[in-house]
Amino acid sequence: DAKTTQPPSMDCAEGRAANLPCNHSTISGNEYVYWYRQIHSQGPQYIIHGLKNNETNEMASLIITEDRKSSTLILPHATLRDTAVYYCIGSPLNAGGTSYGKLTFGQGTILTVHP
Amino acid sequence: DAGVTQSPTHLIKTRGQQVTLRCSPKSGHDTVSWYQQALGQGPQFIFQYYEEEERQRGNFPDRFSGHQFPNYSSELNVNALLLGDSALYLCASAQTGSGWTNEKLFFGSGTQLSVL
Repeated sequence: DAKTTQPPSMDCAEGRAANLPCNHSTISGNEYVYWYRQIHSQGPQYIIHGLKNNETNEMASLIITEDRKSSTLILPHATLRDTAVYYCIGSPLNAGGTSYGKLTFGQGTILTVHP
Repeated sequence: DAGVTQSPTHLIKTRGQQVTLRCSPKSGHDTVSWYQQALGQGPQFIFQYYEEEERQRGNFPDRFSGHQFPNYSSELNVNALLLGDSALYLCASAQTGSGWTNEKLFFGSGTQLSVL
């Protein structure tokens, strides 16, 4: 899996957009960018993933640069419940065969949303 | 629909003892992975079970072993506990077969193990 680099912490005001960056300069052509988050006292939760096109779902948007060396997760209207550790992970989409369930987590970004 | 359930939620053991942690996957899921999360760190992959066999293993010693039962539930066993084994142990499940992809990994809330 690709090595990813994220800032250790970020702050955001409630109601504003939270933009979380991730560098993944060694990502290979078949590796997708995944974002998971972990709210205190819970297990990680899937947010979004993408290969090279921008993606949007009900939780967030993912912007991937054209060279795929970095990406940004956007929470359009952050709430206090979005306070969590956010993990950016590079991994093949389809684990294939029996290689299911292995994700390589870094230390992530602690996002704190303030009232 | 119950998600991934783990038991117990908290556990205190003494150095040198053995511990067993349990995981029931989300309904319809047939593969289980275990992760160790030390304080302030991201989860680290221990191993993954599918069809009652260990399929992948991370960089963990043989003191860490597991089992998957015919109903897809799983156990994580750790022998000869060390102080450094104190961590949150997470179980994650997924449904294999065509169309399975990494975003469909569901995690439990974990078992907090303290070794004294």
